[in-house]
Amino acid sequence: EIVMTQSPATLSVSPGDRVALSCRASHSVSTNLAWYHQRPGQAPRLLIYGASTRASGIPARFSGSGSGTEFTLAISSLQSEDLGVYFCQQYNKWPPYTFGQGTKLQIK
Amino acid sequence: QAQLVESGGGVVQPGRFLRLACEASGFTYSSYGMHWVRQVPGKGLQWVAVMWYDGGDKYYADSVKGRFIMSRDTSKNIVYLQMNSLRIEDTAVYYCASERDGMDVWGQGTTVTVSS
Repeated sequence: EIVMTQSPATLSVSPGDRVALSCRASHSVSTNLAWYHQRPGQAPRLLIYGASTRASGIPARFSGSGSGTEFTLAISSLQSEDLGVYFCQQYNKWPPYTFGQGTKLQIK
Repeated sequence: QAQLVESGGGVVQPGRFLRLACEASGFTYSSYGMHWVRQVPGKGLQWVAVMWYDGGDKYYADSVKGRFIMSRDTSKNIVYLQMNSLRIEDTAVYYCASERDGMDVWGQGTTVTVSS
């Protein structure tokens, strides 16, 4: 099973900040990596797939990078609606599909 | 607009069963992979099962293998998750999600509580 590790666990941010979230895989997942955002009480929403391709309707302030075992989700100018939890997920070697434990963005 | 709606959650005693349903609208799910993912409130996401396009290939997490079964009714555009021999640790919000590139459409979730 590929273990996904996200850091940091929590990040305190302010609107307008540039943010970088990290995701590390225990073994190479090539670019078969997705990012999701979950607001409280809501279902996750796909942001990025293929490590760097924005999903339909996702603003350009979100960008993904990386390959192999190291990945980054960047938010160029944080908006209030970006608060919540971000999860990475690998779909290179399955089953099982595996998610990171999440990074929570909260107001500073 | 593609949409998934789950139903069938509830409170059930350990050892009993439930069947969850996920109804797709705005797209034909048989062209996609369909997943079930669960989440204990306040915790992370755990993948449960997937059924691929033609319904022939199904895969399960080790924690549910032999107890949970995915099936589908293509005439109704519904995917099911039959959950047998439920355990307290199966308590979670269960989401269905379709996969084309990443899990791009999610339902709102249905809550399963296993308690004596």
